[in-house]
Amino acid sequence: NAGVTQTPKFQVLKTGQSMTLQCAQDMNHEYMSWYRQDPGMGLRLIHYSVGAGITDQGEVPNGYNVSRSTTEDFPLRLLSAAPSQTSVYFCVTGDKEKLFFGSGTQLSVL
Amino acid sequence: GESVGLHLPTLSVQEGDNSIINCAYSNSASDYFIWYKQESGKGPQFIIDIRSNMDKRQGQRVTVLLNKTVKHLSLQIAATQPGDSAVYFCAETGGTSYGKLTFGQGTILTVHP
Repeated sequence: NAGVTQTPKFQVLKTGQSMTLQCAQDMNHEYMSWYRQDPGMGLRLIHYSVGAGITDQGEVPNGYNVSRSTTEDFPLRLLSAAPSQTSVYFCVTGDKEKLFFGSGTQLSVL
Repeated sequence: GESVGLHLPTLSVQEGDNSIINCAYSNSASDYFIWYKQESGKGPQFIIDIRSNMDKRQGQRVTVLLNKTVKHLSLQIAATQPGDSAVYFCAETGGTSYGKLTFGQGTILTVHP
């Protein structure tokens, strides 16, 4: 997972709280994205970005916001956390299809 | 909708055996396929990829086979080692779906010493 740094590794939230998952990459890739991983659902794309200033929705974008002000950073914001957002979140970067995953953030929403 | 699925959710093998993990896909427009390995507590790691204009690609101890006729791909691991124990995911994307990988559910590979 070298080159993709996610923080925090673990987080517990109460329903309605907000938080930002941070992601930074030092590989100078244009592409970054966020996936969530849930048992029985596999990995699902939340949002992605193909360059600074450009973001787009993935398969499950509701409840999440993103921005891409720099090439290096791609934060994921939960404005009002819900129990359905309990999951493991992975930040991804890469060179077109060859993607590199961060080590993940385990989020629990109570 | 389009999906990528796996035939076997779990696979147990003895150290030294060859392992075969299978994956079916339904999107006929898919033109790029990737296998990922995910160890406990870590993010998925790229293993090997293959494009739709190929039917076989080999890496170090791993081979990916693609059968476009039946929309099936497989990952073969030669001389499986305990360190190969992990969850293996196949993923696919269409030519215009840059970065929009669709993942299968995963197969748990357990290698017994």
